[in-house]
Amino acid sequence: KNQVEQSPQSLIILEGKNCTLQCNYTVSPFSNLRWYKQDTGRGPVSLTIMTFSENTKSNGRYTATLDADTKQSSLHITASQLSDSASYICVVSGQDGGATNKLIFGTGTLLAVQP
Amino acid sequence: DTGVSQDPRHKITKRGQNVTFRCDPISEHNRLYWYRQTLGQGPEFLTYFQNEAQLEKSRLLSDRFSAERPKGSFSTLEIQRTEQGDSAMYLCASGRREFYEQYFGPGTRLTVT
Repeated sequence: KNQVEQSPQSLIILEGKNCTLQCNYTVSPFSNLRWYKQDTGRGPVSLTIMTFSENTKSNGRYTATLDADTKQSSLHITASQLSDSASYICVVSGQDGGATNKLIFGTGTLLAVQP
Repeated sequence: DTGVSQDPRHKITKRGQNVTFRCDPISEHNRLYWYRQTLGQGPEFLTYFQNEAQLEKSRLLSDRFSAERPKGSFSTLEIQRTEQGDSAMYLCASGRREFYEQYFGPGTRLTVT
């Protein structure tokens, strides 16, 4: 069964600290993996997209890694800010991007950054 | 604002009533997707359109749900005879067939009392 699992479920860190969120997937065949940030009551916003040939991608203070062999990904946030408080969702596309482009979502990691 | 818009943002309805949501995608996007998200869960795929054609429907989309995209631009999602289990955030996203990216709207939060 195609699944995306994330850990931890929730995380509290102090402002300015770094953190790493984990994502394991069993989706096959694999097309691409994305990390989304979702603020409470809002739609998800894309942070990074990686295909199987990419093993790292950065977007400002966000750096995502991908190991397609072990089917694991991580999202590292450096120098956290209060505005980073949100749910971070790992999403895997299990089909060719030109086909259904259907996404399989993880349940997310809820990050709270405290002053 | 040239992003994906959804209307209404919030809807409270009584069980048994019909509701309709609207999604306006980014204008040049030929694909439009509907998702449902319950509290503490990731979004679940419901259906998607390429232009005006509905190409795939999830098994989550029961007979009470219907979606349309009549002119290949905006889309509507109707739920008939709402049930309490329909309470959720309904998200719309749009994209282009040639690219992976999907851009999400702010969602419509439905509460069925």
